[in-house]
Amino acid sequence: ETGVTQSPTHLIKTRGQQVTLRCSSQSGHNTVSWYQQALGQGPQFIFQYYREEENGRGNFPPRFSGLQFPNYSSELNVNALELDDSALYLCASSLDRDTYGYTFGSGTRLTVV
Amino acid sequence: GIQVEQSPPDLILQEGANSTLRCNFSDSVNNLQWFHQNPWGQLINLFYIPSGTKQNGRLSATTVATERYSLLYISSSQTTDSGVYFCAGENYGGSQGNLIFGKGTKLSVKP
Repeated sequence: ETGVTQSPTHLIKTRGQQVTLRCSSQSGHNTVSWYQQALGQGPQFIFQYYREEENGRGNFPPRFSGLQFPNYSSELNVNALELDDSALYLCASSLDRDTYGYTFGSGTRLTVV
Repeated sequence: GIQVEQSPPDLILQEGANSTLRCNFSDSVNNLQWFHQNPWGQLINLFYIPSGTKQNGRLSATTVATERYSLLYISSSQTTDSGVYFCAGENYGGSQGNLIFGKGTKLSVKP
């Protein structure tokens, strides 16, 4: 148990649909990041939120969007799903990245058919 | 952007053996971490080690920030050590929160 929980664990969607993935962080973890991990690769940074504002973004199109809520939960939304969006999506949170680094959840495995 | 190279890409060990995994960065990074990804996909934080040496049981890690590399040592390996090991660092000159990962070392420990 890492203190970062993600739901659902697995999901199958059809190309063109929209999906929302959820993450719940530990109390006090004001920073949350989302990553996409394709099979056989390392995770790739999607974006980061700090106190409900996006403050960093990787090379992902605008159809990847997010929200962070005051109760330390967050969402990753993906519109117009493509087959290449099939991946493991990981959420990471931090109390103080300069002291403790990041803690990851167990991920949501998304399959787009 | 910063490149992270991990070696070896694959490693097969007999239970009880020792091993060293290496991570090289093409430029300086902050907040270097080592992770173990289990078969279910969860990334487990092994060490937060921006510099120096840390030990936790059979695992230890050393980061030489000035030379841009980090090492993970696994002693007396067990079958439960199997999985993929990732190192990652954050580039403060880039996007906030962007942990840059290597491609990982896939470790298989045989009984």
